[in-house]
Amino acid sequence: NAGVTQTPKFRILKIGQSMTLQCTQDMNHNYMYWYRQDPGMGLKLIYYSVGAGITDKGEVPNGYNVSRSTTEDFPLRLELAAPSQTSVYFCASSYPPRGNEQFFGPGTRLTVL
Amino acid sequence: SQELEQSPQSLIVQEGKNLTINCTSSKTLYGLYWYKQKYGEGLIFLMMLQKGGEEKSHEKITAKLDEKKQQSSLHITASQPSHAGIYLCGADISAGNNRKLIWGLGTSLAVNP
Repeated sequence: NAGVTQTPKFRILKIGQSMTLQCTQDMNHNYMYWYRQDPGMGLKLIYYSVGAGITDKGEVPNGYNVSRSTTEDFPLRLELAAPSQTSVYFCASSYPPRGNEQFFGPGTRLTVL
Repeated sequence: SQELEQSPQSLIVQEGKNLTINCTSSKTLYGLYWYKQKYGEGLIFLMMLQKGGEEKSHEKITAKLDEKKQQSSLHITASQPSHAGIYLCGADISAGNNRKLIWGLGTSLAVNP
C-alpha cells in the first residue's frame, strides 16, 4: 500500500493563477481531509469529506474548493491564488470503524508570489 | 484561545535525558492522538488514547491520558537524536459522529548529541 500520496511536492504560483493539489489514498478510507500548516499556527482544516460525493467546509475554506467523485481521490482546487495561501498543504484519510487516527500524505509546499 | 494547548512550545535536551510534553484540552476528550513530524515531511501517527487512565508505550515513548484533567502527556525516556522533530497532539472532542480532530500547535524537540 502506498498510503496517502500527494502531488506535487513543491509549487510556485503567481498571484491570480489557479492549480489543483492532488491527493490519493489506497486504503479504502471513507474520510478524507485537507489541512494547511503555517509556521506557529498548527494544522487548520480546510475541507473534509465523509465519502464519495460528500464534502464539507472546515475552519478555513475561503479561496479553496474540493470535490470527491471517488473514494480514492480528494483534489483541492485554488482558483485565484493569493500570497495568503502560501503554506504547506497536507491531505489525510481515516476509517473511523477502525479508529479515528488520521493517516497523512507527505505534503505540498506552495508559494504564491 | 487555543482549544488544545501543548507545552512546552519547544524543548532542547541532551541525548540520554528524559522529557515530557503535555497536551491539555479545554473540552472533554473522547480520543487523543499523538503524531511526530520531521521538518518538511508529513505527520507520522504514534499513539491513540481513548480511555481515562490509558497508557501506551512504543519503544522509548510512553503516552498517558488523564481524563479528569483533560490532559495527555508524552514521555520520552533516554532521548536520542532520532527523537528530534515536532510532536503534535490531535483530539476528538465530539461525542457524536463528527470525525474531525482539533490540533495543538506542536512542540519542537531538539536532542543534542
